[in-house]
Amino acid sequence: QVQLQESGPGLVMPSQTLSLTCTVSGGSISSATYSWSWIRQPAGKGLEWIGRIYASGSTNYNPSLKSRVTISVDTSKNQFSLKLSSVTAADTAVYYCTRGCVNCDYWGQGTLVTVSS
Amino acid sequence: QSALTQPASVSGSPGQSITISCTGTSSDVGSYNLVSWYQQHPGKAPKLMIYEVSKRPSGASNRFSGSKSGDTASLTISGLQAEDEADYYCCSYAGSSTFVVFGGGTKLTVL
Repeated sequence: QVQLQESGPGLVMPSQTLSLTCTVSGGSISSATYSWSWIRQPAGKGLEWIGRIYASGSTNYNPSLKSRVTISVDTSKNQFSLKLSSVTAADTAVYYCTRGCVNCDYWGQGTLVTVSS
Repeated sequence: QSALTQPASVSGSPGQSITISCTGTSSDVGSYNLVSWYQQHPGKAPKLMIYEVSKRPSGASNRFSGSKSGDTASLTISGLQAEDEADYYCCSYAGSSTFVVFGGGTKLTVL
């Protein structure tokens, strides 16, 4: 059974960089079949796709966030990571890592990141 | 404002069927058979219920079905049960520029 777990700071200062890591267990992140995505959800609001990566390192990003987002992968640790720069209060949300892109069949439990001074 | 339009809420009684619509454009829903549907209970991660318009992943109840006509996709839940009360989101591939778009979500209330 594939499991994903997000980790990282729960509080980030405005203008700083949000950094999260997703650790995958029960399956290899190196499989060429799947991509790995980050999705976020502000409290009481809908889902927003941030971007995805393949084990090869190939990425695609949400155009509205592209200038601030970097997603990377570490196949040796079976992990992939998210960096979101120049954060503001509008970036406060629960961040999920998932397997897949449009068809996200496995999700992490989500981690709340609050942007505040 | 979300790229895909869903009704804010729908409701139904136990045993009934309900349908949730998801309206996009010819740039997303209308052009690709890559529409998925997610169920989200409060405080939980979303769960994939339908993918590629009408396919059901293992673990999803066969009371859930999906379809598409033109720029609008639909999720139908038959034999409504109390446990179906949740938020539902549609999602579509939107081409190599925009890539992925979500609907704003629909709250299903089982009366």
